[in-house]
Amino acid sequence: QKEVEQNSGPLSVPEGAIASLNCTYSDRGSQSFFWYRQYSGKSPELIMSIYSNGDKEDGRFTAQLNKASQYVSLLIRDSQPSDSATYLCAVEGNTPLVFGKGTRLSVIA
Amino acid sequence: GAGVSQSPSNKVTEKGKDVELRCDPISGHTALYWYRQSLGQGLEFLIYFQGNSAPDKSGLPSDRFSAERTGGSVSTLTIQRTQQEDSAVYLCASSYTVGEYSPLHFGNGTRLTVT
Repeated sequence: QKEVEQNSGPLSVPEGAIASLNCTYSDRGSQSFFWYRQYSGKSPELIMSIYSNGDKEDGRFTAQLNKASQYVSLLIRDSQPSDSATYLCAVEGNTPLVFGKGTRLSVIA
Repeated sequence: GAGVSQSPSNKVTEKGKDVELRCDPISGHTALYWYRQSLGQGLEFLIYFQGNSAPDKSGLPSDRFSAERTGGSVSTLTIQRTQQEDSAVYLCASSYTVGEYSPLHFGNGTRLTVT
């Protein structure tokens, strides 16, 4: 059974701080990793993908992948109240994508 | 271009009735997925279709659930003899292909309430 684990939170950070979201996965053969953002009552929205070890930056978001340790993380710099949402980690596990249960982030103004 | 389209957006039905949920994927996407999300819970995989291959039905919770995809495009998820525990948001997603480097793009979902 391929698994993706995330801390359910809530993770509370003050506005302007860095939010760090972590995810571990069980399938060592996984090659593709995605972060989705889900606002309350809305569907998941893709915000980042990462396929190689190291960091990938897109605006205020940085995804980090360490395949040896089987973890992937998402950093959100200069956090804004509008970043308050549930963040889902998804791992390509020989189809379909396996999703974690999500971490709820609350950015306090 | 247009995203994944689902209808209806909301459906209220009585216990024991059948319901049909519709999904129109992004044009050119060969893979289509159905997930279910209960209130405050994670995404539960139900079924996926890839091109003309037989669908992966491994996530369907019971034989009351079925899905078809006609012409490699539009998909219908059918729930027969609905039960209250079927109440959830049903999410459809599509991707260019299945497997590596192919993220899913979700529709807005159908909120099903069984009374």
